[in-house]
Amino acid sequence: DGGITQSPKYLFRKEGQNVTLSCEQNLNHDAMYWYRQDPGQGLRLIYYSQIVNDFQKGDIAEGYSVSREKKESFPLTVTSAQKNPTAFYLCASSINGANTGELFFGEGSRLTVL
Amino acid sequence: GQQVMQIPQYQHVQEGEDFTTYCNSSTTLSNIQWYKQRPGGHPVFLIQLVKSGEVKKQKRLTFQFGEAKKNSSLHITATQTTDVGTYFCAGRLGEYGNKLVFGAGTILRVKS
Repeated sequence: DGGITQSPKYLFRKEGQNVTLSCEQNLNHDAMYWYRQDPGQGLRLIYYSQIVNDFQKGDIAEGYSVSREKKESFPLTVTSAQKNPTAFYLCASSINGANTGELFFGEGSRLTVL
Repeated sequence: GQQVMQIPQYQHVQEGEDFTTYCNSSTTLSNIQWYKQRPGGHPVFLIQLVKSGEVKKQKRLTFQFGEAKKNSSLHITATQTTDVGTYFCAGRLGEYGNKLVFGAGTILRVKS
């Protein structure tokens, strides 16, 4: 089955710890994205990548980091610098980063900081 | 920053009633997309509108893009319990916009 796989689905973290969320796609898409979803705020873009070994900050990149070493993988690290990391994180991909084309979303990772 | 405003935030309807959600942008959109997220799920693409004044239908769902390409609406006729979820619009800003800006979403609940 083609699609996007995010893991873990649920994650608990202590304050001060970094955590990495995995995102893998087998759709052969060039562009990948990370969004954060909070109640009542819709989806906010954290980082996006239009091609391997290249990525750009989105609207709320502070406290996050990413890498894009392979086309199919776009992991997100939530660092201890992120002041309010508890949220639902969604990874998405699109065929390319041009101004058309739908986003395909993974099932999400819910991070809770204790 | 640049925003896409979506209203209402929440709507609770009786099964069989109609439902409409609206999106507005202060700047021209190159296109607009609509997504549905079921409770506990992830957003799923519904449709993309590109042309000024465009209207598209999917069964009971009607999507419109305004003449000025600054607003859009999604109308559901005769809602069913399967329509429950959050509906998001997402607009691409400007002529060469390469990232989507999502509205805050409208949560739809349907009472049977």
